[in-house]
Amino acid sequence: EPEVTQTPSHQVTQMGQEVILRCVPISNHLYFYWYRQILGQKVEFLVSFYNNEISEKSEIFDDQFSVERPDGSNFTLKIRSTKLEDSAMYFCAAVAGADEQYFGPGTRLTVT
Amino acid sequence: SQQGEEDPQALSIQEGENATMNCSYKTSINNLQWYRQNSGRGLVHLILIRSNEREKHSGRLRVTLDTSKKSSSLLITASRAADTASYFCATRNNYGQNFVFGPGTRLSVLP
Repeated sequence: EPEVTQTPSHQVTQMGQEVILRCVPISNHLYFYWYRQILGQKVEFLVSFYNNEISEKSEIFDDQFSVERPDGSNFTLKIRSTKLEDSAMYFCAAVAGADEQYFGPGTRLTVT
Repeated sequence: SQQGEEDPQALSIQEGENATMNCSYKTSINNLQWYRQNSGRGLVHLILIRSNEREKHSGRLRVTLDTSKKSSSLLITASRAADTASYFCATRNNYGQNFVFGPGTRLSVLP
């Protein structure tokens, strides 16, 4: 089965610091997504990325967030100035043509 | 806004029993998908049903879709302890590429 990988598995950062979460999606997939899941809550859509640009983004994805695919393989989510409420699991997902999403294992972000 | 909502929020059954989870949504969809999430892990795609389909099977999973009621159900037959997980429905509409997840049903299968 195709595999999406994410690093790091756990990141602890202080409020106000910048974090970069990395994802290596499946190379022949077309759409890439970032989701957030606050502990015990639902999975929330952040942003979708297609053809090296943002396709859609949610209200959560404000100016503090950005995404990049700097080298054609890695797909990054940057949070410029973290807040306590950014503490969550962040999942990357990749989609081919059939709409099935392949999720990475997630990065647990803890903001202290 | 389009939103999947599952019920029940939590379900506890004995091994061998069937588990049924429901999902409702608010707007027209292109497809609806079910995912499983083991505690602290990523989501695993289980099954996708398109808006023009009414029922789909995959192994012990059976999914139905009623677009007139904007609802779907996931049935897991002959449950096993390994089925213990949270189950989420996700919908995609015809106008975009984002998926909307419901809050999930936490299933516990007791041995």
